[in-house]
Amino acid sequence: DGGITQSPKYLFRKEGQNVTLSCEQNLNHDAMYWYRQDPGQGLRLIYYSQIVNDFQKGDIAEGYSVSREKKESFPLTVTSAQKNPTAFYLCASSPRTGGSSSPLHFGNGTRLTVT
Amino acid sequence: SQQGEEDPQALSIQEGENATMNCSYKTSINNLQWYRQNSGRGLVHLILIRSNEREKHSGRLRVTLDTSKKSSSLLITASRAADTASYFCASIWGGSEKLVFGKGTKLTVNP
Repeated sequence: DGGITQSPKYLFRKEGQNVTLSCEQNLNHDAMYWYRQDPGQGLRLIYYSQIVNDFQKGDIAEGYSVSREKKESFPLTVTSAQKNPTAFYLCASSPRTGGSSSPLHFGNGTRLTVT
Repeated sequence: SQQGEEDPQALSIQEGENATMNCSYKTSINNLQWYRQNSGRGLVHLILIRSNEREKHSGRLRVTLDTSKKSSSLLITASRAADTASYFCASIWGGSEKLVFGKGTKLTVNP
């Protein structure tokens, strides 16, 4: 079955450590996205990528980094510079970006807790 | 920046009743999408309505769009306990090329 796989589902880290969240898709989608969701809040865009080896900052990119070396993969690194990293992280993909006619397909998220 | 705002923030109804959620926005749109999120899970796309459409149906879902009032509504008819979830509207607002989500309506359907 085609879809987006995020791993792990739960992640615990100590403050000051970098951590990388995995996102893999087998939908052959060009565009991939990372969103952050805090309790009772909507989704905020961290980074997005329209094509391999290219990505753009979203609204809250500070303290995060990404790479897009393969079409299927878009890992997100939460660095120690991110002041409030504890959140629910969602990865999504779509056939293309630009224009709101491409529904997003979401993974089931990674809940990151930093203490 | 969030341009879409859902109303109400939370809604609790009995099974079999209809549920209506609203989304208001500030700038022009080409189309608007509705998503559903079960607790602790990712979002699932429900329906997309284009700016030249006024109403769209999908099963028990009915979406309306009023571009003059800059608002959209999602109606779930004959609700079931399994409809319990958060519902979000999303669109690309103004000249942005990024999909922006509202804060959502949390729907609870009591059996």
